[in-house]
Amino acid sequence: QAHLVESGGGVVQPGGSLRLSCTGSGFNFGSYPIHWVRQAPGTGLQWLTAIWYDGSPQFYTDSVKGRFTISRDNSKNTGYLQMDGLRVDDTGVYFCATDTPPSDWGQGTLVTVSS
Amino acid sequence: DIQLTQSPSTLAASVGDKVTITCRASQSVDDWVAWYQHKPGKGPKRLIYRSTALDGRVPSRFSGSGSGTEFTLTISSLQPDDFATYYCLQYESYSGFSFGQGTKVEL
Repeated sequence: QAHLVESGGGVVQPGGSLRLSCTGSGFNFGSYPIHWVRQAPGTGLQWLTAIWYDGSPQFYTDSVKGRFTISRDNSKNTGYLQMDGLRVDDTGVYFCATDTPPSDWGQGTLVTVSS
Repeated sequence: DIQLTQSPSTLAASVGDKVTITCRASQSVDDWVAWYQHKPGKGPKRLIYRSTALDGRVPSRFSGSGSGTEFTLTISSLQPDDFATYYCLQYESYSGFSFGQGTKVEL
C-alpha cells in the first residue's frame, strides 16, 4: 500500500525559504506524478503544483509561480517543494499526493510564515 | 482559470439520511472531476474519479454523477464515519487544477 510522508515544515519569517520533502514507499514512486496541495487555516484545499513522472514538465498555480519550485529524485523516492519569498498567506498545512487525480496522500506538514 | 462552486457550504444531516452535494464549474471540464473526503489531521481520501468511477474500498453508498459543468456527489445513507468535509476537484488541464471550497457535513 502506498505511503507518503511529508517533512520540512516549520516557522519562517516573511521573505524566507523552506524546502519540503515528500518520501514515498510501498509503490513504484517513479511511475506517478507528484502534487502539492495546501490548506490555509480555516479554509479549503488549494492545488499548488505538480511534476510529471520523470521530472518534466512541472505545473504551477499562479499564486506560487516564480516563488515555488517542484522537483523530484526518483532514486530516493522523494519529491521536493522549494519555497522562496514566503508570505504570511503561505501559512498552512502542505500535503503531497501521487497519481492524477491525486489518490494517495501524506498527512501533511505545517508551514507557518510569521514575523 | 476554472472555478468550482460547491453547494451547500455546510449541511446538517442525521445517520441514515440521503446527502447530495453539488459542484458547478465555470466552464466545461468534460468528466474530469474527482471527489474527496477530508477529516482533520489526515490527508484527503479520494472517493470518486472521472465523475462517476468509485475508488476501490470506498463503500457503494457513495456515488458521483454529472458532466460538463454540473456534478453531484451522493451518499445514499449517511453513516457515522461519513461526517467530514467533502471537496470536488477538476483536473481538466494541468495548467490549473482547482478544488471547490468544500462542504462540511455535520450532525
